Amino acid sequence: EAGVTQFPSHSVIEKGQTVTLRCDPISGHDNLYWYRRVMGKEIKFLLHFVKESKQDESGMPNNRFLAERTGGTYSTLKVQPAELEDSGVYFCASSLPDRAGGNTIYFGEGSWLTVV
Amino acid sequence: GDSVTQMEGPVTLSEEAFLTINCTYTATGYPSLFWYVQYPGEGLQLLLKATKADDKGSNKGFEATYRKETTSFHLEKGSVQVSDSAVYFCALRKNAGGTSYGKLTFGQGTILTVHP
Repeated sequence: EAGVTQFPSHSVIEKGQTVTLRCDPISGHDNLYWYRRVMGKEIKFLLHFVKESKQDESGMPNNRFLAERTGGTYSTLKVQPAELEDSGVYFCASSLPDRAGGNTIYFGEGSWLTVV
Repeated sequence: GDSVTQMEGPVTLSEEAFLTINCTYTATGYPSLFWYVQYPGEGLQLLLKATKADDKGSNKGFEATYRKETTSFHLEKGSVQVSDSAVYFCALRKNAGGTSYGKLTFGQGTILTVHP
C-alpha cells in the first residue's frame, strides 16, 4: 500500500513567487494534516482536513497560505507570495477516521522549501 | 495550550552506549504520547506510543513509559547503534474514550549521532 506522498520533494523559489505543494494521503484516510518545521525548531501544526472540510486551521500563519482539499482526496498548500521566513520542511500526514480508532498518524517525507 | 519540551541536543554517543532523551509535556486531560523518528533523507516515522498512564511503548529496542505523576515520556535504549542516528521527536495528542484524535503537538526534536 502506498504511503503519504508529497510533491515536490525540494523547491527553491525567489521571495515574492508562488509555490504549490501537493499531498496524496493514504487511500481511505479521511484525516489529512499539514505541518511545518522551520530549521531547528519544533514541528508546528498548520491545519487539519476531515474529508474536504477544514476541521482546524488554527495553525495557519497568515493569509499568504491557502490549503485546499477538493473532493476529499489530495490536498494542496499554496504560499503566495512567499517570504524568506516561509523556508522549511512542510509535512503532510493522514490517518483513518477517528471513529474507527485509527489513532496512528502517518507522515510523508516532506517538501523542503527554500525561499531566497 | 498543550506543549511538549524535549531535552536540548545534539546528543553524541558511542555505539553500544545507553541513551536517554527526556520529554515532558503540559496538557489538559490525558493525552496519548508518541515518539517519532526522522532518519536522514526520510520522512517522520512513528517509533512508539502510549495511550494511558503507566503504559510502556516499545519498538526496535527503544522504550518509553507514560508517567502521569511527572508528566514525562522519556525515551531510552540500552545499546545504541550507528543506524539509530536520526532526529527524535516527542509528541502528544488529545485522547477521549480511548481514542486519540486531532492534531499532534511536537517537541523541538533532538538530534542523535552515534559514532562507531
